[in-house]
Order: sequence, then C-alpha cells, then structure tokens
Amino acid sequence: NAGVTQTPKFRILKIGQSMTLQCTQDMNHNYMYWYRQDPGMGLKLIYYSVGAGITDKGEVPNGYNVSRSTTEDFPLRLELAAPSQTSVYFCASSATGTFNNEQFFGPGTRLTVL
Amino acid sequence: AQSVTQPDIHITVSEGASLELRCNYSYGATPYLFWYVQSPGQGLQLLLKYFSGDTLVQGIKGFEAEFKRSQSSFNLRKPSVHWSDAAEYFCAVGNMEYGNKLVFGAGTILRVKS
Repeated sequence: NAGVTQTPKFRILKIGQSMTLQCTQDMNHNYMYWYRQDPGMGLKLIYYSVGAGITDKGEVPNGYNVSRSTTEDFPLRLELAAPSQTSVYFCASSATGTFNNEQFFGPGTRLTVL
Repeated sequence: AQSVTQPDIHITVSEGASLELRCNYSYGATPYLFWYVQSPGQGLQLLLKYFSGDTLVQGIKGFEAEFKRSQSSFNLRKPSVHWSDAAEYFCAVGNMEYGNKLVFGAGTILRVKS
C-alpha cells in the first residue's frame, strides 16, 4: 500500500496565484486532515473531513478551501496565495475519529509564496 | 486551551549515549499523548502513545516514554542512540474538540555525533 500520498513535493507561487495541493490515501480511511508546519512551530490543523462530502474547519482555515468528493481524495485549495502561506503542508488520515486509531501522514508539500 | 511545550529546540548527543527529550502539556482532563518522529523529507511516523494504564510505554525503534501526571510531562527516552535516530521529534496531545485533532509541540531536532 502507498499509504498517504501528496503532490507536488515542492512548489513556488507568486502572490495572488492559486493552486491545489493533492492528497490521496489508499487505506479506506474515513477521516482526513490538512496541517501546516511553520518553522519552529508545531503542526496546525487547517481543515479536516470525517467522510466523503463532510468537511469542517480546523484551527487555521483562513485562505484555504477543501472538498471531499471521494473517500480517497482530500485536496486543499489556495485561492489567492500570500507570503504568510509559505509553509510545509501535511495531509493525514485515520480510520476513525478516536485516538485509538493512528493518524498516518503523507511526506508533505513544501510551498513558498514570493 | 491545550498546549504542548518542548523546551529544547535542538539536542545533540553522541552515538551510543542515552537520550531524553522533554515534553510538557497543559490539559484539564486525562490526556491522550503521542510522540511522532519526522525524518528529513518524510512525513510524521508514530513512535508511541499513551492513553491510560501503565505510565511507562514502549514504542518502536527502542523508544519509551513515561507519563508523569504530577509534572504534566511525557518525556521520550532511548538508552542508546543510533545515527539513524537523527530526526525531528514532536510531542502531541489529543483533543476531541476538532475530530481527532492533535495539538503538537514545536518539535525537537536531534543531531547525533559519531
């Protein structure tokens, strides 16, 4: 199994551009998450989803949008990129919403906005 | 609000030496506690977790952690460090407010001297 895959690995955007970060998991997990990791900071939750068609905001949702049309995919959309969105983005998934179920993380997307 | 503090940003140890990474949390109820490791260019991998019961928990790769309620701590230890342990380590506490949300500390970067 591939687990959680993310594309692209790296991206440089200009201010005001838009892009979609892709996340796919092949474990049939219901829960999926998007985190961002800023230097010297822990991961912060952007959005999460408890199943196809259901998404909700996390701690730092401003400037982002998500959708969950299938169980496997959970793309993250940046509409108007800003320098403050320079970060490393991690997607994760878990089977259920209880802490007994481990969150599995993808390798991350490093985004720079100039 | 929950918070996790990892007081050491960087730690350098010699190969074969013992290791202790510190983690303190702030949470009113019984916490769900986790340690994750992030190798360069990789996603986060779960090392171990504590939910209840025995306060000394064993994890993968020879790591262990001890939960001390009186000190609000969950320190990670390893008796003999290997060069391959060089990575960034994150402590996290579980929060049911946002699904299966994890609140992460800022991380500790471990360097191993040969």
